[in-house]
Amino acid sequence: EDQVTQSPEALRLQEGESSSLNCSYTVSGLRGLFWYRQDPGKGPEFLFTLYSAGEEKEKERLKATLTKKESFLHITAPKPEDSATYLCAVSALRGSNSGYALNFGKGTSLLVTP
Amino acid sequence: EAGVTQFPSHSVIEKGQTVTLRCDPISGHDNLYWYRRVMGKEIKFLLHFVKESKQDESGMPNNRFLAERTGGTYSTLKVQPAELEDSGVYFCASSHRDTQYFGPGTRLTVL
Repeated sequence: EDQVTQSPEALRLQEGESSSLNCSYTVSGLRGLFWYRQDPGKGPEFLFTLYSAGEEKEKERLKATLTKKESFLHITAPKPEDSATYLCAVSALRGSNSGYALNFGKGTSLLVTP
Repeated sequence: EAGVTQFPSHSVIEKGQTVTLRCDPISGHDNLYWYRRVMGKEIKFLLHFVKESKQDESGMPNNRFLAERTGGTYSTLKVQPAELEDSGVYFCASSHRDTQYFGPGTRLTVL
């Protein structure tokens, strides 16, 4: 059974204090690993998709990396507006080529203080 | 481009009543998904449509839940009769290919 575990559950950072969020996963065959950001009362907002070990993607202060067992979301010099819950999700290789279910972790709640 | 929209944003009903949630996907997206998050748990997959056909409904909890997608456009998720454990936030997402874009969710409270 696919499993996604995120750590830590909550993280408090000072503005400018860089850190990393972890997503460990177990899946029969990885089709893709996704990072989303979720603000209170809103739906998940897409950030990155990673497909194979060694792949990296960047967007502003965020950088996502992938190994065969885990993914990291690195946050460099965070600002208060980066405060949100960050969700990791995986999809497994299945017969269909036209879309696939996401299996989510519980998320990491990030608070960045001025 | 308009995003995924969901209606209503909140719904409060009594146990045993019926509720219908609606999702309008991004125009042109053939794939439509329903997910839900119950209190303290992670977001869980319910089902997946490709156009008007159910591709995967392995996450549907029981036969009190009925999803439809008329003409491959908007989708509805009906809960009948609602139970207390159905309370949570129901998300809809749509995709053209890999990336799923989520709506704001419907918060359902069953009293």
